[in-house]
Amino acid sequence: DVKVTQSSRYLVKRTGEKVFLECVQDMDHENMFWYRQDPGLGLRLIYFSYDVKMKEKGDIPEGYSVSREKKERFSLILESASTNQTSMYLCASSLRDIGEKLFFGSGTQLSVL
Amino acid sequence: GENVEQHPSTLSVQEGDSAVIKCTYSDSASNYFPWYKQELGKGPQLIIDIRSNVGEKKDQRIAVTLNKTAKHFSLHITETQPEDSAVYFCAASRATDSWGKLQFGAGTQVVVTP
Repeated sequence: DVKVTQSSRYLVKRTGEKVFLECVQDMDHENMFWYRQDPGLGLRLIYFSYDVKMKEKGDIPEGYSVSREKKERFSLILESASTNQTSMYLCASSLRDIGEKLFFGSGTQLSVL
Repeated sequence: GENVEQHPSTLSVQEGDSAVIKCTYSDSASNYFPWYKQELGKGPQLIIDIRSNVGEKKDQRIAVTLNKTAKHFSLHITETQPEDSAVYFCAASRATDSWGKLQFGAGTQVVVTP
């Protein structure tokens, strides 16, 4: 089975802190994604990457950046965390040939105080 | 861009009854429609999907139907069981790229009561 692992289940940070969310997948998937999940809004795409060192903006990239230095690892960075970035963050991956079939991690619940 | 609306937001059913969740999409070029199930404390998991060249697809107790003309698709769960309790998300995409840019609905919280 594909495993997508997110480094933290819960994270509490202060406003203005730099925050790193890490995601690792073990199935050699080319594509990796970061989504944000908020009640009533569903899942919204922040950034995605289809190859090492490649990144593309999703629907809500403002306030976020990403890094993909290795194929299996995709990091989401909040340069200066704000309270409106309190949310559940979900990482996902997929194979290039069937890119639309996503495998999700369990999520990181981030609280910014 | 694509916009996906999902109804209802919450659905309470008695065990053994059927549950239906409906989604509408705006982009007539969308051709791939998956459904994800998210159990408490877990990430969403793909449970069934359908492409635009198919009107209906079934997998045991779950089925998905697609009406391209009306631009809506539905998830049907028959003989519901307590383990069907979860949040369900519909999504739509063009699936023309090698990556999957899915547009998700807002989700439906399904509660199955014994």
